[in-house]
Amino acid sequence: GAVVSQHPSRVICKSGTSVKIECRSLDFQATTMFWYRQFPKKSLMLMATSNEGSKATYEQGVEKDKFLINHASLTLSTLTVTSAHPEDSSFYICSAIGLAGRYEQYFGPGTRLTVT
Amino acid sequence: GENVEQHPSTLSVQEGDSAVIKCTYSDSASNYFPWYKQELGKRPQLIIDIRSNVGEKKDQRIAVTLNKTAKHFSLHITETQPEDSAVYFCAASKSQGGSYIPTFGRGTSLIVHP
Repeated sequence: GAVVSQHPSRVICKSGTSVKIECRSLDFQATTMFWYRQFPKKSLMLMATSNEGSKATYEQGVEKDKFLINHASLTLSTLTVTSAHPEDSSFYICSAIGLAGRYEQYFGPGTRLTVT
Repeated sequence: GENVEQHPSTLSVQEGDSAVIKCTYSDSASNYFPWYKQELGKRPQLIIDIRSNVGEKKDQRIAVTLNKTAKHFSLHITETQPEDSAVYFCAASKSQGGSYIPTFGRGTSLIVHP
């Protein structure tokens, strides 16, 4: 199956700093990428949907100025958590869909963010 | 928007027993229903899916049923094994702008006791 990678897998940063997380589709072109946030023992919360070359669509309640998403190419999307605070600590997972109209999402391995 | 309810939140079974997880959805336009398995600290993995033109699908010990009229679908795992222990998520999705964006259930933590 298709492979999606995420980097870094774990990151610890100080409060007030920014952190960038990369999501790459390794063997296919991702027309659409999704960013999720997951709290311990909780479900996947969709943060935003991004299509290559266009602005991301954010879900209600997600601050677009705080969670910057850039989908620069068909294989790379980045999520930047700006001015991170301890409450931003979470597990962030991206996923990608290949050809338009396809059903299946391929998830990245996730990034554990800890803000101290 | 779509609303997906998933039950139970926790399910504990003995090895060899069957496990059933149920989900309901609200949007009659949803037409694709995947199930994901997520082990602790790992990515969700698609284990089975079903489309709205099918009522049942089976893959070895795993089966999914769909009742479009009642807007509910279920995951059935037979002959459970300890390695089946994980969190399982159902999802309902429909095409939006060419992409199928799923709405996930809250998840079911399945524990299989050896």
